Amino acid sequence: DAGVIQSPRHEVTEMGQEVTLRCKPISGHNSLFWYRQTMMRGLELLIYFNNNVPIDDSGMPEDRFSAKMPNASFSTLKIQPSEPRDSAVYFCASRPRLAGANEQFFGPGTRLTVL
Amino acid sequence: GQNIDQPTEMTATEGAIVQINCTYQTSGFNGLFWYQQHAGEAPTFLSYNVLDGLEEKGRFSSFLSRSKGYSYLLLKELQMKDSASYLCASTPGANNLFFGTGTRLTVIP
Repeated sequence: DAGVIQSPRHEVTEMGQEVTLRCKPISGHNSLFWYRQTMMRGLELLIYFNNNVPIDDSGMPEDRFSAKMPNASFSTLKIQPSEPRDSAVYFCASRPRLAGANEQFFGPGTRLTVL
Repeated sequence: GQNIDQPTEMTATEGAIVQINCTYQTSGFNGLFWYQQHAGEAPTFLSYNVLDGLEEKGRFSSFLSRSKGYSYLLLKELQMKDSASYLCASTPGANNLFFGTGTRLTVIP
């Protein structure tokens, strides 16, 4: 199993530009999570999906952030327009469908730098 | 609201035992996770406690007291590769995790 796949691994962009982060969950997992990690705030949940449906997006900082999951094998997190304070590592994680299985499996992350 | 407290940094000697404490206050509780995260890498699962008591898994053990809102991670026979951040996370809902800011452990020779 390839694990959770994220792309790109690193992204450097200028303020005001649109940024799209991509995630492919582990096959067969039905829950997908987007997190943001910074030194100051740690690992924060932005949004999660169950069966491709957004369940809780209360962690999305503002309207500049949006996430989609068009099918079970792909999700995107978009920031438009980007700002320097969005600089962070963004992790995607997935969770299997098994009853009682709470463990989340994390991807390698995308390190975003907004200049 | 949600809140998790754990020490920011700890240092321990190779071969020793270290205990990393975590206290939590969350609205709803479906278990307590510990994750390990090496610098520049993704968090990886270490343990999950939903009932009170101690769960042992090799050199690592995790303890939970639901009535006290308290957990700890115990690492025995420390190795240099155990230098990492250790993240405590509660589960306020059935699906989502709420993470603490993590404890950075440095193992010295």
